[in-house]
Amino acid sequence: DADVTQTPRNRITKTGKRIMLECSQTKGHDRMYWYRQDPGLGLRLIYYSFDVKDINKGEISDGYSVSRQAQAKFSLSLESAIPNQTALYFCATSDPGTGYNEQFFGPGTRLTVL
Amino acid sequence: ELKVEQNPLFLSMQEGKNYTIYCNYSTTSDRLYWYRQDPGKSLESLFVLLSNGAVKQEGRLMASLDTKARLSTLHITAAVHDLSATYFCAALPYTDKLIFGTGTRLQVFP
Repeated sequence: DADVTQTPRNRITKTGKRIMLECSQTKGHDRMYWYRQDPGLGLRLIYYSFDVKDINKGEISDGYSVSRQAQAKFSLSLESAIPNQTALYFCATSDPGTGYNEQFFGPGTRLTVL
Repeated sequence: ELKVEQNPLFLSMQEGKNYTIYCNYSTTSDRLYWYRQDPGKSLESLFVLLSNGAVKQEGRLMASLDTKARLSTLHITAAVHDLSATYFCAALPYTDKLIFGTGTRLQVFP
């Protein structure tokens, strides 16, 4: 079973709709992240959470919100989707206690906003 | 603000040849990471480099870190088709937020 899962894997929606992307992990990590990937731009950080009570904005948080429902769950919402939010979205987790602080990524959600 | 630059952005190389991907970062970083991404897939961790002079090897890939020069390299030895993918480096500054390079798309042809 995958350690970091994302649902849905693919989603097509229309401008103005509210969308929620969900991320779950079984790695027991406190830290979770949401990234967006666009061609030629690498990955950019949207929001991150270092524990259940901690939520922080990343590089490109405008138009997005998040909820950390539990240690294992971190959801990303687009309140009113717009076409330039069409992208590949990744959730990731990490555990700084290992010393490596390596991030482990979910399989991604491909979102298309028409 | 930390910036990470990779070059080249695109690399087409023949099987059996050697090449190096470069990753420069602009300010102090505690760690340097290399990831691989196949088309439409997630990112797979390749290497974590923790200190100056660190060198790690896995198969035909070898990564190194020079913190004084703020430079990491990913060296490919005797490339094979299976290495075709996009490779990302990422630096971790004191903020504990990974900053990614834009990626190097590697294509290996016969």
